[in-house]
Amino acid sequence: DGGITQSPKYLFRKEGQNVTLSCEQNLNHDAMYWYRQDPGQGLRLIYYSQIVNDFQKGDIAEGYSVSREKKESFPLTVTSAQKNPTAFYLCASSSLPGLAGLREDTQYFGPGTRLTVL
Amino acid sequence: ELKVEQNPLFLSMQEGKNYTIYCNYSTTSDRLYWYRQDPGKSLESLFVLLSNGAVKQEGRLMASLDTKARLSTLHITAAVHDLSATYFCAVDWEWAGSYQLTFGKGTKLSVIP
Repeated sequence: DGGITQSPKYLFRKEGQNVTLSCEQNLNHDAMYWYRQDPGQGLRLIYYSQIVNDFQKGDIAEGYSVSREKKESFPLTVTSAQKNPTAFYLCASSSLPGLAGLREDTQYFGPGTRLTVL
Repeated sequence: ELKVEQNPLFLSMQEGKNYTIYCNYSTTSDRLYWYRQDPGKSLESLFVLLSNGAVKQEGRLMASLDTKARLSTLHITAAVHDLSATYFCAVDWEWAGSYQLTFGKGTKLSVIP
């Protein structure tokens, strides 16, 4: 089955601790994204990557870091510099526009990781 | 900065009734997506709208896109309880070769028997 997997499903972090959230996709998508969702809110973009070994900051990148060493994997590290990390984290992937400049497919989302600070 | 506004943010409706959710956005884009989210779950893609005048229908839901008005609508026909969820619209936009989605805040729909 093709899809996106995220682990763990639930994660608890102590103050001052770094934690890493895993995201893997087997859809052969070039682009991958990390979003944060707070209760009752929409999604906000943390980081995204359109090619291996390259990534860009989104709207709320402070306190987070990412890597893209393989096409299939895009892990997110929540560092101790992120003062309010309790949230639902969603990873997504998508294809990039073809030669015609049109992207005909949506972003596909993983099941999410719920992070709680103790 | 691209802004995406959905209204209403909360919608309580009786089974069997019709209603429309609106999604307005502030920049030029020909691509808009609708997603559904159940409580505690991830996002599920509902519709992909890729051009002006696009209309897609699936069951009791129908989505349309007017790129000139920068408006998309999600129409619910004869609502049933199973449609209770939060619905998000997201606008696809490009800047300097990078492609991103900007999401609205979501519309929480409750269908009451």
